[in-house]
Amino acid sequence: DAGVIQSPRHEVTEMGQEVTLRCKPISGHNSLFWYRQTMMRGLELLIYFNNNVPIDDSGMPEDRFSAKMPNASFSTLKIQPSEPRDSAVYFCASSLQETQYFGPGTRLLVL
Amino acid sequence: GQQVMQIPQYQHVQEGEDFTTYCNSSTTLSNIQWYKQRPGGHPVFLIQLVKSGEVKKQKRLTFQFGEAKKNSSLHITATQTTDVGTYFCAGPNAGGTSYGKLTFGQGTILTVHP
Repeated sequence: DAGVIQSPRHEVTEMGQEVTLRCKPISGHNSLFWYRQTMMRGLELLIYFNNNVPIDDSGMPEDRFSAKMPNASFSTLKIQPSEPRDSAVYFCASSLQETQYFGPGTRLLVL
Repeated sequence: GQQVMQIPQYQHVQEGEDFTTYCNSSTTLSNIQWYKQRPGGHPVFLIQLVKSGEVKKQKRLTFQFGEAKKNSSLHITATQTTDVGTYFCAGPNAGGTSYGKLTFGQGTILTVHP
């Protein structure tokens, strides 16, 4: 079975540009989580969905960040406009009960 | 809110030495999970403990869940270079419906010198 799929795996962009990160959860999983990981702040939960509905977005750092889950097999995390401090690894994870399965992550560098 | 703390933050060992990381929750947990993240990789689920006082083993790894279900530990016997990585503990959201949300500890970064 395919695990959680994320794209792109790496993204280098310039400050001010829009960045869209994509995630395909494991088929049958009903919860999806977006995390950000940096050396300074560790692993941070940004937002999570259950049955495609956003449950808690209190971790989203600013209005520049938005996330959608239009259907059970796809989610996006968008940053507009991007800033250098957004540079991090962004992970998507999915779960059916309480064990979370992480994707390989997107390494974002904003210059 | 719920907090999960891990100590130590870093641990450097010589290959063959033992290693232990400790996890403490501010609230009683229904279960505790452990994840491992290799350098450059993503967190991978290792194990879940559910019962008070539970002990589980995976080869050289021993996991314990405290009697009060507020703390846990991971012990690695005779570390190997393949054990290098960050070890996270995580507990489900306290109270209400969690929808699978976990509160992660900040992780313990283990380095093993050959």
